[in-house]
Formats: sequence, C-alpha cells, structure tokens
Amino acid sequence: GAGVSQTPSNKVTEKGKYVELRCDPISGHTALYWYRQSLGQGPEFLIYFQGTGAADDSGLPNDRFFAVRPEGSVSTLKIQRTERGDSAVYLCASSRSDRLTGELFFGEGSRLTVL
Amino acid sequence: QKEVEQNSGPLSVPEGAIASLNCTYSDRGSQSFFWYRQYSGKSPELIMSIYSNGDKEDGRFTAQLNKASQYVSLLIRDSQPSDSATYLCAVPNQAGTALIFGKGTTLSVSS
Repeated sequence: GAGVSQTPSNKVTEKGKYVELRCDPISGHTALYWYRQSLGQGPEFLIYFQGTGAADDSGLPNDRFFAVRPEGSVSTLKIQRTERGDSAVYLCASSRSDRLTGELFFGEGSRLTVL
Repeated sequence: QKEVEQNSGPLSVPEGAIASLNCTYSDRGSQSFFWYRQYSGKSPELIMSIYSNGDKEDGRFTAQLNKASQYVSLLIRDSQPSDSATYLCAVPNQAGTALIFGKGTTLSVSS
C-alpha cells in the first residue's frame, strides 16, 4: 500500500484480555516504530525495529507488552492481561533509513479501549 | 524531567495573523529538531526540521532554533483556518534511535 496500514482501527476489550495490534509499514521501509498516544499527550515511544530485530525496546512500559517483526516487514504489538490504563491510540510509524532522520511516516493508529 | 516541553494551549489567532509556537528541550546535546502537525483524529506528519542555529523558512512556516537557550519555535505566517491542528515538537532520544515528542500545542485559527 501507499502508506502505513494499521489494524484494527478500533479495539474494545475487557480488562485482563490479550490484544494484538498489527502494523504494515510502507514497502521498503526498514525502520518501524511503535508509539502510543493518550488524549492530550504527544506520542510516547515504545519500541523501534531495524529489520527483524528490536533495536530499542526501552519504551515498553512493562513485560505485558511485547512486539515482533519476524520477516522485517509486518509488525505485531502484543499486550497481555490488559489494564484500563492501556487505553490509548497505538501508532505505528516507518522510515526508509537505517538511521534516525526524523522523518517518520505514521499510520492512522489503532484505538484501544480497555473496559 | 520531561525532555521536550510545550505549552498545550489552546493558542487562538485570527486568520491572517502570525502564530508562534514554542518548545524547550532538556538535552543540551540535541542536534536535530522536528515539528509535526496532527489534525484532530489523524496521525502526525512532519512539516519542518531544523539542525542549525537561526531560522529556516519553508513557505509560510519558519522554524527558529537557539541552542544556547535550548529553545525551538515554529512561526506560521498568514495563518489559515486549515492550520488549526496540534503542533508537536520532537527531538531524538539520547540513543539516537527514536523521536521524543512534546505534548503538543493546539492552534485554533478563526476566520
């Protein structure tokens, strides 16, 4: 596709459930980022992939959060035992460069609501 | 301590006026600075980058950087209602692997 694609666009789940959010980056982009954004806040960095490997996962808040990118393209963010505080818009971004240039292309996000 | 600080606003200006958006950062070693625009309900998009002290102009937008004061600003001349959005300031993290965003300033341009 022409842009970063994220699915689902909306996800409502119950506290304690497991959730997977998918990101399909722009074709050829080797760098992939996950951010989350709460209302009235800027995007908060979670994890950065360069190719298949997580080059920086320092933003993951705790061990309930995990992300994979097994073939260096599509990535899945996995959240176990969801809590109400996990409710946010989860944004995926990609970049063509193997070093940070500052130009990130964001998807439209997956809005997660934990009841 | 937050790495990037912005006044959340809202900043309200009339159509045709100059809008001035400000950002301060804590890491004196930061070398690159970015402004993203986010329309309500949409994702952020890059509009300006600046790396050197001084001004950088792109159409109606001017980014200003003062590294000594750890201050970066975005000026929007001849503001239009279509400029109404949240403007996010961003700098690289210390590892140089990702961008750290401020909370954003909401701009409202009235016609």
